[in-house]
Amino acid sequence: QVQLVESGGGVVQPGRSLRLSCAASGFIFSNSAMHWVRQAPGKGLEWVALISYDGTNKYYADSVKGRLTIFRDNFKDTLYLQMTSLRAEDTAVYYCARDHGRGPPFEWGRSNYWGQGTLVTVSS
Amino acid sequence: DIQMTQSPSSLSASVRDRVTITCQASQDISTYLNWYQQKPGKAPKLLIYDASNLEPGVPSRVSGSGSGTDFNFTISSLQPDDIATYYCQQYDILPLTFGGGTKVEIK
Repeated sequence: QVQLVESGGGVVQPGRSLRLSCAASGFIFSNSAMHWVRQAPGKGLEWVALISYDGTNKYYADSVKGRLTIFRDNFKDTLYLQMTSLRAEDTAVYYCARDHGRGPPFEWGRSNYWGQGTLVTVSS
Repeated sequence: DIQMTQSPSSLSASVRDRVTITCQASQDISTYLNWYQQKPGKAPKLLIYDASNLEPGVPSRVSGSGSGTDFNFTISSLQPDDIATYYCQQYDILPLTFGGGTKVEIK
């Protein structure tokens, strides 16, 4: 069955860096676009980034552009989120999610599998 | 960015009641709309895609409708297992955007 397992969360000081990982199994990882979505404590869902099936195309929310980088290793079936210059407002549970398609310009748009999330706390 | 406005932000209903949540987009998104359910401490779960298509395994008491800017999500007969927060999400134009969520409780 499809499994997505995030790791790498923790407590980090403002301005520092962190890398999240999402290990995928149970499907052909290299055929699927992938997303990162976050949720601040007690708040709603916020889309963070999308990467196409082959890693060629990447898209970001304005709030993270230039600080967070999505990338993937299709040989290791793993998705990553490199987080730099972290701010207090980046504190959230970060979910990776599989898109049903390959990503733009191909068919894409719904996330039918999600990981359990990993908590990132940015605090001094 | 496309703004997604959900209402109500919370509701309380009795078991077997019909419950409807609305989602309004700030511009025409055709039917590029998903609905997710999120239970406390859990990841979101896709229920409806393309505004009205039921994800496999989702109970038939759940339905979605609408196109353009106005969308509805309905539970025809509320069950205790439906207690959750529901989110709409548009995927017509990046960045993807979610509605603010609707928390559904049992009266």
